[in-house]
Amino acid sequence: GIQVEQSPPDLILQEGANSTLRCNFSDSVNNLQWFHQNPWGQLINLFYIPSGTKQNGRLSATTVATERYSLLYISSSQTTDSGVYFCAVGGGWGKLQFGAGTQVVVTP
Amino acid sequence: DTGVSQDPRHKITKRGQNVTFRCDPISEHNRLYWYRQTLGQGPEFLTYFQNEAQLEKSRLLSDRFSAERPKGSFSTLEIQRTEQGDSAMYLCASSLPHPSTDTQYFGPGTRLTVL
Repeated sequence: GIQVEQSPPDLILQEGANSTLRCNFSDSVNNLQWFHQNPWGQLINLFYIPSGTKQNGRLSATTVATERYSLLYISSSQTTDSGVYFCAVGGGWGKLQFGAGTQVVVTP
Repeated sequence: DTGVSQDPRHKITKRGQNVTFRCDPISEHNRLYWYRQTLGQGPEFLTYFQNEAQLEKSRLLSDRFSAERPKGSFSTLEIQRTEQGDSAMYLCASSLPHPSTDTQYFGPGTRLTVL
């Protein structure tokens, strides 16, 4: 199966700081999603981005499919951004393979 | 669009008992997925349905696990003879594949604790 590696595993930020999370994957993909898992366990969709660049408010993402990586940018971080961020990829119409996640803590 | 719902949200059971979880997908979505997440890990795929057909099953889905989607709407996941290693969050997701997107939307999960 497709291998997914996320870095860094942990990230501590001061409120207002910017950060970049990375997702490397081992094979070509048709599906790539970024999620934020809140403290209650709910996975919240951030982006569907198998290629290209998207922005949504303070968050943006870029996937370079030919080089098999994706980046998630968080700008002007807020305490509500705390949680685990997952990258998940799929090789076709079906299951997602998740990375191990990046635990983000934003301090006031 | 009321989102994906799961029931129950929490289940505590004793080892050896059977448990059943329910997932209601977003109404027009024809694909439904089950994943399992243990503490500190990312979710792992278990199985998925397109309408009522079960199209793929993970090797994680032992003989004690069975999933159904009888009418192509809601789905159930049953675990027989539960073991302590089954303790996890069970997540359901749904999607409506389209040429430009196949976004999976997740429910809140059912947290299972096996004593």
